[in-house]
Amino acid sequence: EIVLTQSPGTLSLSPGEGATLSCRASQSVSSSYLAWYQQKPGQAPRLLIYGASSRATGIPDRFSGSGSGTDFTLTISRLEPEDFAVYYCQQYGSSVVFGQGTKLEIK
Amino acid sequence: QVQLVQSGAEVKKPGASVKVSCKASGYTFTTYAMHWVRQAPGQRLEWVAWINADNGNTKNSQKFQGRVTITRDTSASTAYMELSSLRSEDTAVYFCARALRAYDYTNPAFNYWGQGTLVTVSS
Repeated sequence: EIVLTQSPGTLSLSPGEGATLSCRASQSVSSSYLAWYQQKPGQAPRLLIYGASSRATGIPDRFSGSGSGTDFTLTISRLEPEDFAVYYCQQYGSSVVFGQGTKLEIK
Repeated sequence: QVQLVQSGAEVKKPGASVKVSCKASGYTFTTYAMHWVRQAPGQRLEWVAWINADNGNTKNSQKFQGRVTITRDTSASTAYMELSSLRSEDTAVYFCARALRAYDYTNPAFNYWGQGTLVTVSS
């Protein structure tokens, strides 16, 4: 089974700054079947990115995804106060596996 | 608009079973697979199982083999997850989640989620 490792564990930034979150897979993720989710306390995850780089419906263009193979990145430009949350990557090429999450906190 | 509404929190004793429901609205229930994902306190999301809402075929994670049963009632647009032989490690929030694309019976991304159901297993 593919294992996803996200880094950093916690990222402390200020509103207006840019954020770069990493997701590394233990094996190549087929056909870039990689998604990113945002989760706030007490809420369900919200799909941001699928297919490594396609934004889900209604997601602002400050969120972008990139990468292929084993290395993927979620970039958030110009952080807004509502962006501070936990972010998970998910691979869905072979089974469904999630990363352990990156907490994006206000500095 | 698409909504997935789950049943309320449950408290169960070790060895018991729990059945969680997920009522869908805002789309044709039988055209999308429904998945179940859980999240133990402070842990990552973990995929449990899914059901083809059209023909009722199911698939589950090997981790839950023999303990999880996924069913659906198409007349009520509702999916169910039953987990048996509960142990303390099963304490988690259980989410139903809809596949991104219709007729996608592989492993998908999930664009709609229920609000989650907390299942607590404690003696």
